[in-house]
Amino acid sequence: EVQLVESGGGLVQFGGSLRLSCVASGFTFNTYEMNWVRQSPGKGLEWISYIASSGSPIYYAETVEGRFTISRDNAKRSLYLQMNSLRAEDTAVYYCARGVTMVRGHRPCFFDYWGQGILVTVSS
Amino acid sequence: EIVLTQSPATLSLSPGERATLSCRASQSVSSYLAWYQQKPGQAPRLLIYDASNRATGIPARFSGSGSGTDFTLTISSLEPEDFAVYYCQQHSSWPLTFGGGTKVEIK
Repeated sequence: EVQLVESGGGLVQFGGSLRLSCVASGFTFNTYEMNWVRQSPGKGLEWISYIASSGSPIYYAETVEGRFTISRDNAKRSLYLQMNSLRAEDTAVYYCARGVTMVRGHRPCFFDYWGQGILVTVSS
Repeated sequence: EIVLTQSPATLSLSPGERATLSCRASQSVSSYLAWYQQKPGQAPRLLIYDASNRATGIPARFSGSGSGTDFTLTISSLEPEDFAVYYCQQHSSWPLTFGGGTKVEIK
């Protein structure tokens, strides 16, 4: 059974930092692209970052580029999101999501498995 | 950035009725469109990918169609567990984007 379990969320002050982790099980982690997707309270979904199975390439949404860093450790079956310079608008539930594409060489992906999500609250 | 517009925002229907949800893209995404279902307090669940392919374990009452800029998710006969919010997502180009969602509520 595929499982993705996020951790590391919580309350942080404006301008602060937080590191999210996602541990994967039930599939061959080092062969899949991974992503972070967030959802602000009562709002829709926003993709924020992608990392290829090998660790490169990496893509970010404009809203987090330069402040957030995605990384992975395939030996530990883990995905990470380092979040710096946090703002009130970063308050959201953060999901790690496995990326899939059915077309060889086509990187933009959809998400077939999601973690349960972890809440990050940025206070002013 | 490709903008996805979903309509209607809310759909009020009774169990057993047919639901038709729309997703329109600001430019062509070919067939690179996915649909998700989300219930309160839960993560989204993949329903449809590549516009018309059902994900593993998804009942046949869910179907997707369309290509280019106009897409439809159809639920042929609503079951009680289908009342939820539905999102479309394009996987044609970066950045990946989602529509604003359609809430299917019980009438």
